[in-house]
Amino acid sequence: EVQLVQSGAEVKKPGESLKISCKGFRYSFTSYWIGWVRQMPGKGLEWMGIIYPGDSNTKYSPSFQGHVTISADKSISTAYLQWSSLKASDTAIYYCARSGNFQDAFDVWGQGTMVTVSS
Amino acid sequence: QSALTQPRSVSGSPGQSVTISCTGTSSDVGGYNYVSWYQQHPGKAPKLMIYDVSKRPSGVPDRFSGSKSGNTASLTISGLQAEDEADYYCYSYAGGYILIFGGGTKLTVL
Repeated sequence: EVQLVQSGAEVKKPGESLKISCKGFRYSFTSYWIGWVRQMPGKGLEWMGIIYPGDSNTKYSPSFQGHVTISADKSISTAYLQWSSLKASDTAIYYCARSGNFQDAFDVWGQGTMVTVSS
Repeated sequence: QSALTQPRSVSGSPGQSVTISCTGTSSDVGGYNYVSWYQQHPGKAPKLMIYDVSKRPSGVPDRFSGSKSGNTASLTISGLQAEDEADYYCYSYAGGYILIFGGGTKLTVL
């Protein structure tokens, strides 16, 4: 079964840095895009950005450009989402998901990573 | 880019049909056939239900169908069942390197 497995929940303080991960199993990791989606508490889904691990081509939503960094290490079939300085407003569940082409639907989703930022 | 517009909530009784709309513009929903729909139960990850406007992934019941007219896409669930109660989100390509979600619709099965 194709799977995306995300890293565990994180509790951080404002100003701290963080990198969460998303590892792909049982498919060609370099042949699919990996997108990141934010869901703030009690709110809807927001598209943050996407990466093609095959060549690290990365695109960001204007709403998230400059606030997060998306990367991937194809040698270990893992994509990352990172922050250099967290804010309380970054508290949310973050999902990674796979798509065949940039504009395609996300057909496989990770289980989500809960990030809590609180002093 | 603003979120696509969905009704906040819809409801229906078991066995009935409900339709959830997703309204965008000619730059997103109306301009491309890359509309998909996701079902999300509380505490769970979203699940793909419809892609490319009207295609159903393997394993999704044929009670779920999708369509599009102009700048509005729709998800119809027929023969409503208790387990269909969930949040539903539409998602569309918006040109260039932009993709956007709808605001989400809470489906209540009465």
